[in-house]
Amino acid sequence: GQQLNQSPQSMFIQEGEDVSMNCTSSSIFNTWLWYKQDPGEGPVLLIALYKAGELTSNGRLTAQFGITRKDSFLNISASIPSDVGIYFCAGPAGDDKIIFGKGTRLHILP
Amino acid sequence: DAGVIQSPRHEVTEMGQEVTLRCKPISGHDSLFWYRQTMMRGLELLIYFNNNVPIDDSGMPEDRFSAKMPNASFSTLKIQPSEPRDSAVYFCASSLTGAATNEKLFFGSGTQLSVL
Repeated sequence: GQQLNQSPQSMFIQEGEDVSMNCTSSSIFNTWLWYKQDPGEGPVLLIALYKAGELTSNGRLTAQFGITRKDSFLNISASIPSDVGIYFCAGPAGDDKIIFGKGTRLHILP
Repeated sequence: DAGVIQSPRHEVTEMGQEVTLRCKPISGHDSLFWYRQTMMRGLELLIYFNNNVPIDDSGMPEDRFSAKMPNASFSTLKIQPSEPRDSAVYFCASSLTGAATNEKLFFGSGTQLSVL
């Protein structure tokens, strides 16, 4: 079945650094979604991408829909402590399902 | 506005006991999803409903798991009998229409299940 592979699995960075993570798929996706999960909470949608090559920003977050439609990237600029959490890529698979990658865990060192 | 509400937040039970997890979706949302989250497997879709009808339960691990949606404002996920390997965080999510047409899933805060 369709799978989403995220890298890196975890990141340890200093506050103020920029962050880059990506997500790849063995098959084409027509929509890419990025969710963030804060500790102890459910995931929340950050950015949705609908077209190959699309670049979308949400504050300090920028996401891109890869032109091959098999990958997507998420960047966070000037990280702050509240950016800590798990970042998931996701996309529709089949009729009405949304599948998720295993996530990238972001840790910010004091 | 109230979001997706799940209860209980935490459940600790002994192997062999029945466990019932509850979910109230956002009012007006047509689709409801149950996910399970573990470190090893990430977020797995267990089952989803559209207009209270189960559409795809292929993610349900085995017969010990069952889910119902008796009306538009309530769903349950039941495990009977529970086993230690069922320990995980179980999330309920809802969306306005089917996920393929409206990709915005709204998640509850989850139920942390521990089976001893």
